[in-house]
Amino acid sequence: DAKTTQPTSMDCAEGRAANLPCNHSTISGNEYVYWYRQIHSQGPQYIIHGLKNNETNEMASLIITEDRKSSTLILPHATLRDTAVYYCIVRNQGGKLIFGQGTELSVKP
Amino acid sequence: DGGITQSPKYLFRKEGQNVTLSCEQNLNHDAMYWYRQDPGQGLRLIYYSQIVNDFQKGDIAEGYSVSREKKESFPLTVTSAQKNPTAFYLCASSTGLAGARYEQYFGPGTRLTVT
Repeated sequence: DAKTTQPTSMDCAEGRAANLPCNHSTISGNEYVYWYRQIHSQGPQYIIHGLKNNETNEMASLIITEDRKSSTLILPHATLRDTAVYYCIVRNQGGKLIFGQGTELSVKP
Repeated sequence: DGGITQSPKYLFRKEGQNVTLSCEQNLNHDAMYWYRQDPGQGLRLIYYSQIVNDFQKGDIAEGYSVSREKKESFPLTVTSAQKNPTAFYLCASSTGLAGARYEQYFGPGTRLTVT
């Protein structure tokens, strides 16, 4: 599975949009981009995934560039409860999830 | 309520003892997984099982053993051969390995401390 690169940490003001970038320049055509998050000392939680098109659900939006070499997870109105480590993962249909170190997002009042 | 349970939440053991961590799911999922997480690190896969009575080694299986006698249960044994057993252990399950929608549901984790 392709390797991903994320910033180590980010801050965001409460109520503002949080935009979390991820680089996956070696992604291949059949690999999906997944996002999970992990609140401190809890198990990770699935957020969203996509292949080529942008995706939106009740939690977030996922924007994938046309060349698929990078993506951005958008939390439209961040709350204090969104403070967590966010993992960007690339996998193919038969592959396993490989977690990197993720981005530690701190939402501040 | 459907979900994954892990017990206990905190576990303390003396060095040289084997210890078994429990993981139970009532989601009717075929696949189950064990991960290990060290401070400030991402998750690393220890073992996974796609169906009952079958399991495969993950990236860091040395010093661990598992069994999958029932669909609902996937216990992990940390043996005395594991050199650095102190960690946060997470169990997960999913409907399967294949398919685009690959949502893994995670349990609350067990924090194991070996002294």
